[in-house]
Amino acid sequence: KQEVTQIPAALSVPEGENLVLNCSFTDSAIYNLQWFRQDPGKGLTSLLLIQSSQREQTSGRLNASLDKSSGRSTLYIAASQPGDSATYLCAVRGATNKLIFGTGTLLAVQP
Amino acid sequence: DVKVTQSSRYLVKRTGEKVFLECVQDMDHENMFWYRQDPGLGLRLIYFSYDVKMKEKGDIPEGYSVSREKKERFSLILESASTNQTSMYLCASSFGSGGPGEFFGPGTRLTVL
Repeated sequence: KQEVTQIPAALSVPEGENLVLNCSFTDSAIYNLQWFRQDPGKGLTSLLLIQSSQREQTSGRLNASLDKSSGRSTLYIAASQPGDSATYLCAVRGATNKLIFGTGTLLAVQP
Repeated sequence: DVKVTQSSRYLVKRTGEKVFLECVQDMDHENMFWYRQDPGLGLRLIYFSYDVKMKEKGDIPEGYSVSREKKERFSLILESASTNQTSMYLCASSFGSGGPGEFFGPGTRLTVL
């Protein structure tokens, strides 16, 4: 059974720092991996999707990498801003076509 | 932009009531999903649908049913609401495994008294 783990559970950094969020999964047979952002009380916003054949995806200050063989993905946020404060979730899609979510990393960027 | 809308942002119901949560997407997506999100438990899949009139159980279908009569609309039904169904309910849609991933609605915060 696929399990997705995110470390750390919470992170607080000063504005301007570069930071890395980690996601690991137990079954490497995935179709893709998706990173989401969730603001308090809101729905999820898709940030980046990496297909299983890809190594990384970039969007603005965000860069996500995928290493299927080791069951890991990282989300790199450059030059963090207070507006980046949110919960970040990773999710993997396997043969069942269902997303399996991690429990998230709560990020606080201090001004 | 893909838009997934949910009929209510906040809903308060009483135990035993029949509750309908509606979700509509405007991008002709084949797949639609209902999740619930609870503190410490994360997102859990209730039901999903690959096509009109098709449905499949997710991880926690007990106490719920769904309806998909039109491609753009996916309804979640609580036949007899109970207090343990108090939660945030999130709807999502997607083209499929090769597409740009899942798009989520804003969520419905349901409280059952």
